[in-house]
Amino acid sequence: EAGVAQSPRYKIIEKRQSVAFWCNPISGHATLYWYQQILGQGPKLLIQFQNNGVVDDSQLPKDRFSAERLKGVDSTLKIQPAKLEDSAVYLCASSLAALMNTEAFFGQGTRLTVV
Amino acid sequence: ILNVEQSPQSLHVQEGDSTNFTCSFPSSNFYALHWYRWETAKSPEALFVMTLNGDEKKKGRISATLNTKEGYSYLYIKGSQPEDSATYLCALPIPYNQGGKLIFGQGTELSVKP
Repeated sequence: EAGVAQSPRYKIIEKRQSVAFWCNPISGHATLYWYQQILGQGPKLLIQFQNNGVVDDSQLPKDRFSAERLKGVDSTLKIQPAKLEDSAVYLCASSLAALMNTEAFFGQGTRLTVV
Repeated sequence: ILNVEQSPQSLHVQEGDSTNFTCSFPSSNFYALHWYRWETAKSPEALFVMTLNGDEKKKGRISATLNTKEGYSYLYIKGSQPEDSATYLCALPIPYNQGGKLIFGQGTELSVKP
């Protein structure tokens, strides 16, 4: 089966510019996650969707970050305006069911550099 | 807030060496533990999902153990190969009624020199 697709793979922008990332989860996976991984740290959840509804966005910096999952399939994550500290790898993941007994499936991530 | 700790942060070994690293977590309210391997320029991929105290799982040269009472899991790699070079992440899920997300440790970066 096809895996989680993300694009772009790499992005370099100047601070105060805007950027958007796209994710296509595995077909049939109701839950979609966006994680931010800053160098030297573990991935941190930004937002979690169940179908097209938001389950958890408590750690999303809502003054600059936004995300949507139209029709419960693809998702986009936007940063506007970007700051230097947003430089990170942004990982999208999806899962078929609750993660107690099953794994999450990840995309390759988007490496963002803000200069 | 669930705190997941991994050690060491990085590890450099020679090809053929066996190695192990640790994931520590609060023993209360344990539900499951995931191990992921993240190679450079690739997607993180699941190695193991462990749920029971005393669980031992194996995939090729990689194995893992789980002690939920004392709050730790070990990942072992026997006879390390250069292709084992990656960041190894452990993560604990929290129940769906509390969000259902994975809480990650900071990872152990393994480098295996030929």
